[in-house]
Amino acid sequence: GDSVTQTEGLVTLTKGLPVMLNCTYQTTYSPFPFWYVQHLNEAPKLLLKSSTDNKRTEHQGFYATLHKSSSSFHLQKSSVQLSDSALYFCALSDPGSFNKLTFGAGTRLAVCP
Amino acid sequence: EAAVTQSPRSKVAVTGGKVTLSCHQTNNHDYMYWYRQDTGHGLRLIHYSYVADSTEKGDIPDGYKASRPSQENFSLILELASLSQTAVYFCASSDWGAQNTLYFGAGTRLSVL
Repeated sequence: GDSVTQTEGLVTLTKGLPVMLNCTYQTTYSPFPFWYVQHLNEAPKLLLKSSTDNKRTEHQGFYATLHKSSSSFHLQKSSVQLSDSALYFCALSDPGSFNKLTFGAGTRLAVCP
Repeated sequence: EAAVTQSPRSKVAVTGGKVTLSCHQTNNHDYMYWYRQDTGHGLRLIHYSYVADSTEKGDIPDGYKASRPSQENFSLILELASLSQTAVYFCASSDWGAQNTLYFGAGTRLSVL
């Protein structure tokens, strides 16, 4: 089946610095990757998604580019804010199976003043 | 904004007891899901449903049953709760069609003692 790997469990940064959260995946289908963000004690919410190879997708200052050649969909932001502190999940949708998502283990981003 | 409501928000259950978690959506979505969140594992799919009166097993269905009596309602049932089922449970809904967003409820924190 599909799998999603997020290599960092915790990323700690000072406000204003750039961040990149890694996401790689394995699938036998055409990849439909997502990034979801979960703030403390809240529900996960969609941050961004893509299905187009080599096209940058942006939302709320975050951006990611699907690279099918390297099976990656890394999340980036040029300048993190305190409010970006949250748990970030990379996920993969199986296009033929009712939008079921396979999630990575998640990366916790902690932004310090 | 899509609306998915879970009840209860938290519950303490005894080992061997029966637990029912409820989910109600007002999005008119065809697909509904139950995910479990554990630290270090991200979210894992327990059961899902693509139409009323039908449920399907997800990746970790053992020890859980599901019921979808109507398009709006989807329940997760633990017939014999065990310590290992202590987790946060999220319900989600999605419209039909590839790569549609999953909308999550606020979660139910279940502690089995």
